[in-house]
Amino acid sequence: DGGITQSPKYLFRKEGQNVTLSCEQNLNHDAMYWYRQDPGQGLRLIYYSQIVNDFQKGDIAEGYSVSREKKESFPLTVTSAQKNPTAFYLCASKAGGQPQHFGDGTRLSIL
Amino acid sequence: QQQVKQSPQSLIVQKGGIPIINCAYENTAFDYFPWYQQFPGKGPALLIAIRPDVSEKKEGRFTISFNKSAKQFSLHIMDSQPGDSATYFCAALDTGRRALTFGSGTRLQVQP
Repeated sequence: DGGITQSPKYLFRKEGQNVTLSCEQNLNHDAMYWYRQDPGQGLRLIYYSQIVNDFQKGDIAEGYSVSREKKESFPLTVTSAQKNPTAFYLCASKAGGQPQHFGDGTRLSIL
Repeated sequence: QQQVKQSPQSLIVQKGGIPIINCAYENTAFDYFPWYQQFPGKGPALLIAIRPDVSEKKEGRFTISFNKSAKQFSLHIMDSQPGDSATYFCAALDTGRRALTFGSGTRLQVQP
């Protein structure tokens, strides 16, 4: 089935450690997005990419990094510079004028 | 920062009731307004969407009302069911960066 796969579902990070969240889509969508979800704050845009080898900062990019080397993949790295990384991270993709489709998220916690 | 303001934060209705969730925006560069439904531990799923040249759109039990002059839009759920209990997000698409800005969400509980 076509869709967006995020892995792992749960992730734990130690203090000072970088972690990478995976997002893969087989929908042939050009655009991909990363959002952070905290209770009571909705979804906030971290990074987005409209095409391969290009990406832009969203509203809360500090402490995060991304790459877009392949159309189907858009990994997010949560660096040690992100002081409050505990959250639910959601990846999305879309094609042209179509709506965004979301994966089922990765829940990141600090040990 | 662009904003979409959503209310109420939570809502409890009886089965068969009509919950209404409201959103307001200020940025006139928004040109597409979707609503998403999210269950615990899952990603949001598109429910229904509207463009600003339309004042109302209905799909099944879900209706969006859109007031362009007031920069407000709302979701109505007809004949609500316990299975509709979820968190609902409104959103708006920016014509510039082509990314969604989300409201803060409404947690809906439909009691049997």
